[in-house]
Amino acid sequence: EVQLVESGGGLVQPGGSLRLSCAASGFTFSSYWMSWVRQAPGKGLEWVANIKQDGSEKYYVDSVKGRFTISRDNAKNSLYLQMNSLRAEDTAVYYCARVAYDILTGYFIDYWGQGTLVTVSS
Amino acid sequence: EIVMTQSPATLSVSPGERATLSCRASQSVSSNLAWYQQKPGQAPRLLIYGASTRATGIPARFSGSGSGTEFTLTISSLQSEDFAVYYCQQYNNWPALTFGGGTKVEIK
Repeated sequence: EVQLVESGGGLVQPGGSLRLSCAASGFTFSSYWMSWVRQAPGKGLEWVANIKQDGSEKYYVDSVKGRFTISRDNAKNSLYLQMNSLRAEDTAVYYCARVAYDILTGYFIDYWGQGTLVTVSS
Repeated sequence: EIVMTQSPATLSVSPGERATLSCRASQSVSSNLAWYQQKPGQAPRLLIYGASTRATGIPARFSGSGSGTEFTLTISSLQSEDFAVYYCQQYNNWPALTFGGGTKVEIK
């Protein structure tokens, strides 16, 4: 069974930093692209970042470029999101997600963790 | 950026009735579209990918159709557990992913 368990969320002041972690199990972690997706309270879903299997490619939504860094440790089956210079608008539940590949249509998210809440407030 | 627009924002349906949800892309995304279901306090769950392929374990009452810029998710006979928020997502522009704003399916 695929399991993704996020941790590291909490309350942080504007301008502060936080590091989220995601522990993966039930699949060969090193074989999959991984993503972070967030959801502000009462709002919709927003893709944040993707990372390739070996960490050699990373992509970000414009609003977090230069502030957030996605990384992974395949030996530990773990995904990370380092968030710096946090703003109030970064307040959201952050989901770790696995990316599947279909030969006909390409890459899409197939499994999600339960999420961890990040609140940016003074 | 590809903008995904879902309609209606809220759909009121009686149990056993059919629900039809729409998703429109600002430019063609071919068939690279997924649908997700999200219940309160839960993570999203993949329902459909490739615009029309049901994910593993998804009941046959869920079906997806469309290509290019117009897509539809149909729930043929709503069950109590289907009342939730549904999101479409394009992945034609991979690695950038964009979601629609969601459609809430509520009990009429």
